[in-house]
Amino acid sequence: EAGVTQFPSHSVIEKGQTVTLRCDPISGHDNLYWYRRVMGKEIKFLLHFVKESKQDESGMPNNRFLAERTGGTYSTLKVQPAELEDSGVYFCASSFSRTGKVTFGSGTRLTVV
Amino acid sequence: GNSVTQMEGPVTLSEEAFLTINCTYTATGYPSLFWYVQYPGEGLQLLLKATKADDKGSNKGFEATYRKETTSFHLEKGSVQVSDSAVYFCALIDNSGGYQKVTFGTGTKLQVIP
Repeated sequence: EAGVTQFPSHSVIEKGQTVTLRCDPISGHDNLYWYRRVMGKEIKFLLHFVKESKQDESGMPNNRFLAERTGGTYSTLKVQPAELEDSGVYFCASSFSRTGKVTFGSGTRLTVV
Repeated sequence: GNSVTQMEGPVTLSEEAFLTINCTYTATGYPSLFWYVQYPGEGLQLLLKATKADDKGSNKGFEATYRKETTSFHLEKGSVQVSDSAVYFCALIDNSGGYQKVTFGTGTKLQVIP
């Protein structure tokens, strides 16, 4: 089975620009999560979708971040406008409620300069 | 809330040395515990897990035992290899929430030198 796919794998943008990260979960997984690791700190939870609905977005840092999950399939995470402190690695993960096994993607390394 | 504390890195060891990476946790319920590994240039991979007290997770020569009395889940390997160089994350999932939200530690970078 294909894993969780994220792209781009790397993105370098200037402060003030907009960036959109994409995540394709494992087919059939109803749960989709976004996490972020900044500058050697812990990986922090951002939000959780169940199908197309946001179940928990308590980890979203501010209103510059917008996540969507179209039709309960792939998800996008848009940062607008990007700030320096947004630099880090953004991980996506998915799981199927009945099994509970969480699979992570390879991450997108975002650098804001 | 839930939290995971793991030892600061980086950890540098010679090949065939013994490895211990300490991890302790705080959780309101009865969590499942995990070690994830991120090799250079790759994504997060599940290394091992334990779902209840006294369970031992093991994989690729790594082991960790779920110790409820000390709220710990220390990672050990008897003889490390250069290929074990990676960042290791201790993590938990609180099973009371109805979904699999993962709480991670800060990660410990391991470098194994020949």
